[in-house]
Amino acid sequence: QSALTQPASVSGSPGQSVTISCTGTSSDIGSYTFVSWYRQHPGKAPKLIIFDVRNRPSGVSNRFSGSKSGNTASLTISGLQAEDEADYYCSSFTTITTLVFGGGTKLTVL
Amino acid sequence: QVQLQESGPGLVKPSETLSLTCTVSGGSMSSNYWNWIRQPPGKGLEWIGYIYYSGSTNYNPSLKSRVTISIDTSKSHFSLKLISLTAADTAVYYCARAPGGDLVIDSWGQGTLVTVSS
Repeated sequence: QSALTQPASVSGSPGQSVTISCTGTSSDIGSYTFVSWYRQHPGKAPKLIIFDVRNRPSGVSNRFSGSKSGNTASLTISGLQAEDEADYYCSSFTTITTLVFGGGTKLTVL
Repeated sequence: QVQLQESGPGLVKPSETLSLTCTVSGGSMSSNYWNWIRQPPGKGLEWIGYIYYSGSTNYNPSLKSRVTISIDTSKSHFSLKLISLTAADTAVYYCARAPGGDLVIDSWGQGTLVTVSS
């Protein structure tokens, strides 16, 4: 299975919005609504911020939103804050009942 | 709130076998999928595989020939065995929980760095 494709980096100023894309295939993102997003600060374990394309776990800010179209999922972070500077990873369930991650996107808050 | 803690050697020689254990506390192992995920230094996440509490497993096809995941619910832990190690297996290894078969990972261990070097 090949890793999902994410941009290596994105950036934005405080208060702005940024969107991170995650492109897969018909064997993963295109077949299911089981897309998740994780945020990882340096030296820390990842944390779930979006599941099932657009759902937020309890306690996650509503500044995070997700969507999907075809084989591509997207994460949008609105009202950027300094604490949002981190690495972001998407994941998807696959047709062979495995899990595949994206390569990760480094978000820089300018 | 479930907690997961990895344990095992930090240094392993090439061609040898890595054995890691994840101890689960604060919750039941039942009806959950228990996963191993790794992250080479400076790189992205790679899913290794899972074991369901009943013992059924599924592995990343790229690692399947070298991986075994086992579980002991009576001791609240599950384990990873990875054979024939090379430097490319150097990574932070995370154990993690997925409550459902869609493999949404909602809880992670802190991770343990394993270095493969002679």
